[in-house]
Amino acid sequence: NAGVMQNPRHLVRRRGQEARLRCSPMKGHSHVYWYRQLPEEGLKFMVYLQKENIIDESGMPKERFSAEFPKEGPSILRIQQVVRGDSAAYFCASSPDIYNEQFFGPGTRLTVL
Amino acid sequence: GNSVTQMEGPVTLSEEAFLTINCTYTATGYPSLFWYVQYPGEGLQLLLKATKADDKGSNKGFEATYRKETTSFHLEKGSVQVSDSAVYFCALSGQGAQKLVFGQGTRLTINP
Repeated sequence: NAGVMQNPRHLVRRRGQEARLRCSPMKGHSHVYWYRQLPEEGLKFMVYLQKENIIDESGMPKERFSAEFPKEGPSILRIQQVVRGDSAAYFCASSPDIYNEQFFGPGTRLTVL
Repeated sequence: GNSVTQMEGPVTLSEEAFLTINCTYTATGYPSLFWYVQYPGEGLQLLLKATKADDKGSNKGFEATYRKETTSFHLEKGSVQVSDSAVYFCALSGQGAQKLVFGQGTRLTINP
């Protein structure tokens, strides 16, 4: 059973461009979580999604950030008009239901020039 | 709101030394508690967990006991190895909530 897949692993964008981060959960997992890790800090929750629904987006910045988890395909975290402060590692996690542990992907490291 | 406070690092030990990394939490209700480990350039791996008071989680020689009276979940290992060098994160998930709340992480370096 393949683990959580994230791509790309590394992404470089210039200020003002868009960044799209993809997350494919483990097989059989319908719950996806996104976290952001700033340099030398812990992970901060951003958003929790189930198929086609956003359940909790309390950690998402109000502007420029959006997330989706369509019926088919990976979950996408989209950052519009990136700024240097968006440079971070973005981790996706998945779980089969609300009772079980979250499994983390290897992360996407975003660098904004 | 819920929060996790972790022993600040970095921590440097010699091989075979005893390890303790302190973790305390603030939460309403009965959270579940976790320790995750992050090796360089990788994602987080669950090391151990405890879901109720007095539970002891253990894995790979690491242990942590859920102490509700002191709101703590300290990580211990009796004899560390060079391969244990990594960043360790304490985390909780609140009752009825799925998101994880993480501590700031403790970087552990073990010298041979």
